[in-house]
Order: sequence, then C-alpha cells, then structure tokens
Amino acid sequence: EPEVTQTPSHQVTQMGQEVILRCVPISNHLYFYWYRQILGQKVEFLVSFYNNEISEKSEIFDDQFSVERPDGSNFTLKIRSTKLEDSAMYFCASNLDRDMPTNEKLFFGSGTQLSVL
Amino acid sequence: SQQGEEDPQALSIQEGENATMNCSYKTSINNLQWYRQNSGRGLVHLILIRSNEREKHSGRLRVTLDTSKKSSSLLITASRAADTASYFCATDIPGGGADGLTFGKGTHLIIQP
Repeated sequence: EPEVTQTPSHQVTQMGQEVILRCVPISNHLYFYWYRQILGQKVEFLVSFYNNEISEKSEIFDDQFSVERPDGSNFTLKIRSTKLEDSAMYFCASNLDRDMPTNEKLFFGSGTQLSVL
Repeated sequence: SQQGEEDPQALSIQEGENATMNCSYKTSINNLQWYRQNSGRGLVHLILIRSNEREKHSGRLRVTLDTSKKSSSLLITASRAADTASYFCATDIPGGGADGLTFGKGTHLIIQP
C-alpha cells in the first residue's frame, strides 16, 4: 500500500535555529497536512495545504511556521526560530485521491521527533 | 469535556477479552474516525463512521455512533497482544474544507498475553 514518508525520523536542534521537516505525501493525493503531538498530549492540527496554497491553519501555526511544496513531490514544514515548546512529534498526512474524492481518511507518516535544546 | 475526548485514558485486559473505548465530542460532525498509534509510530486509520450511520463493522472492530449523546464507542473483539497501542477518535466538523480533524488524547490499550 502507498505510504507517506517523513525524514528525518529524529531531529535535534538548538533553540533559535531553523529546522525543515520533510514529507513525501502519497503521489495522487490532493490535500496535505501537518499535525504535531507533544509528548503525552493530543494530536493537534497545524495546517492543511491544497492546490499549492494553505487551505486552513490553526492558532499554533504562527509566523514562525511555513509550508512549501517545492517540487511537486515534497511537502515541507519550516520552523524559522525554534523554541523549547516546539519539541514534539510532527506528523505529515495526506488524503483525497484524485480518483476517489470522497475518501476522507488521513494517511499519516511515521513522524519526525523534534527535540529543541 | 473537549471535542474528541476518549475514555478510559488507559485500559489493560487479558488477551481474548473484548476492549471497549469511548469517545465524546461537543459539536456537530460530518464523520468520526478512529485511529491507532503504536508507540513512536504514525497514526493508522481504522474506521470511519458518518453522522447518519449508527454502527459499522470492520473485521474485529465495531464502532457505534450516537449523535444525540455526541458519543462513539470502539469495540475490539477477541483482543490480541498485537492490539496493544493507543487509540484515538477524531472528528470531522462541518463548515470547513480541509480544516483538519480534531483528535482526542487517546486511550492507551494494553493486552496482557
């Protein structure tokens, strides 16, 4: 079965540094998402992306965050200046197959564990 | 309670027993979905139930939805050690296009062999 892939699996960075988390969504999906999960807490929606632009974003997704689909296959999340509280597991997801527009279920990657020191 | 809140937070049962997890939510929904997460891994979609459905089955999984009580339950029958994982409900709320799913904190299920 096709899957969403994320790299790296674990990223350690210093506070104030920029990080880019990478994702390759399932190739014929139309919507792409980033979620995060702080240890022991719920999975939180960050942003959705459709047709090369942000469709929706949550309050968490402030000016420090940005997303990009630079080349038609990769989907990236950039955190410009990381804070300690950005430490979390970041999940990429995609859905809505071109051939099955009513398929609402999300396909998640395995996540990138971001540790900000 | 928050949108998509599961209970219990943790559940430990013997292999072969049935496991029941509940989810409550606050607003109207288009659909409610259940996901499973093994430790340190991504979420895997298990089952989706629409607001006009009351019950759905998939293998050993049975999901019910009561929109009048704004609650759902996930039943795993004849549990196996491999079912040990965290289970999350997620709601799709009307009015948004891709405004994302709202997840609960999850139920951590442990199946004792």
